Formats: sequence, structure tokens, C-alpha cells
Amino acid sequence: DAGITQSPRYKITETGRQVTLMCHQTWSHSYMFWYRQDLGHGLRLIYYSAAADITDKGEVPDGYVVSRSKTENFPLTLESATRSQTSVYFCASRTSGSYEQYFGPGTRLTVT
Amino acid sequence: AQSVTQPDIHITVSEGASLELRCNYSYGATPYLFWYVQSPGQGLQLLLKYFSGDTLVQGIKGFEAEFKRSQSSFNLRKPSVHWSDAAEYFCAVGPYNDYKLSFGAGTTVTVRA
Repeated sequence: DAGITQSPRYKITETGRQVTLMCHQTWSHSYMFWYRQDLGHGLRLIYYSAAADITDKGEVPDGYVVSRSKTENFPLTLESATRSQTSVYFCASRTSGSYEQYFGPGTRLTVT
Repeated sequence: AQSVTQPDIHITVSEGASLELRCNYSYGATPYLFWYVQSPGQGLQLLLKYFSGDTLVQGIKGFEAEFKRSQSSFNLRKPSVHWSDAAEYFCAVGPYNDYKLSFGAGTTVTVRA
């Protein structure tokens, strides 16, 4: 039972490059979320999805793009990475019947 | 909009001593409340949750939390901490009929021998 996985776990990229962070869950949870974690800010919601092909912006969506063609996958793309996007990114999921979210292990992204 | 405040950025506690982490929220109705723990280099793990009913809730790893409506608080406690409790703790709130969670900035707990 893999649960929720993220790849890569660590990524270094250069300013201006496109990078995609992957999130995969095996529970068939309908809701999926992307957060970024920065010192002093806790977790901030980037994008979320209520089901396949349904996505919406969170608190800090600028510079990010998401898609959800399959229930189990929710990739996050930085179209043109900036240094301010250096952060730890967490993917989470939950069922439609409950509010607690289950988190992946995170991806540490450094933009140089 | 809902908000969560964790007043203590960092707490140091001796192994075997008690621990209390504070969480205050702002919301007009009864929220759904959560405590998560994040060990170094790991994702967030759910410790406990409050939806309704008994205001004292028990969680994993010997933690408990008490919901106090009059104080808009949901403080986390543990009677006797272990070195493995060193981690960052996040309080989160999710209003009814809203799937989004708002997280506090977190409290880092250091356990000294």
C-alpha cells in the first residue's frame, strides 16, 4: 500500500526552466491538493482538485499550472521557474466524505 | 476567512516533561480542527482531529487536544514527551462545507535530554 508518493524528492533547476513535480495516490481519493511550505508561512495552498478534470486555484497559484487527467495523478508544473519558487512542495489527498488530508513526503525544489 | 495562529514559534522541553502547544483560530462557526506533526524531512502526519462531540480528543502517539469554543482554541498536550516527539507541529482549521484547510505557521519542538 504505497499511499501517496511524490517525485522527485529533490530537484535543483535553473531560473526560467520548466519543471514538473509528480504526485500519485493509490487510494482513489477524489480531492488532491498542492501546498508549498516556507519558513514562517506554514503551508500555503497552490492548487486543488475535486475530481479528474476539475481544478481550481488556491492561495498562491501564480507561476504554477496543474492538470488532473486521471484520479490518481496530480502533477504540478512550474512553467518558468523563479528563485521565489524555491520551497518544499507537498501533495495531499482526501476522500469526498471527510476533511482530513493525507500528505506525501514532499519535494524539495531549489531554483538557482 | 478562517485563520489559525500558533503563538509559539519554538518550544524546548525536557524529556519526560509535559508539553502544551497553543492554537487559536478565527472563524464564525464551529470549525473542523486538526493537529499534524512533521518530523524532519518527512511529510505531515495527522495526530488528531475534532469535528464535533466530546471536546477532549485523543490522538496517536499519546497526544490529546481540547477544543474550547469560548476561547477559540484547540491546544495540543502530551503528559510526558519522548525524544522522538521532537518535530514541527501544525494546527489546521477547515470550515464546514469547505474542503480547504488553513494551516498555522507551525511550532517547532525541541526535546532535551
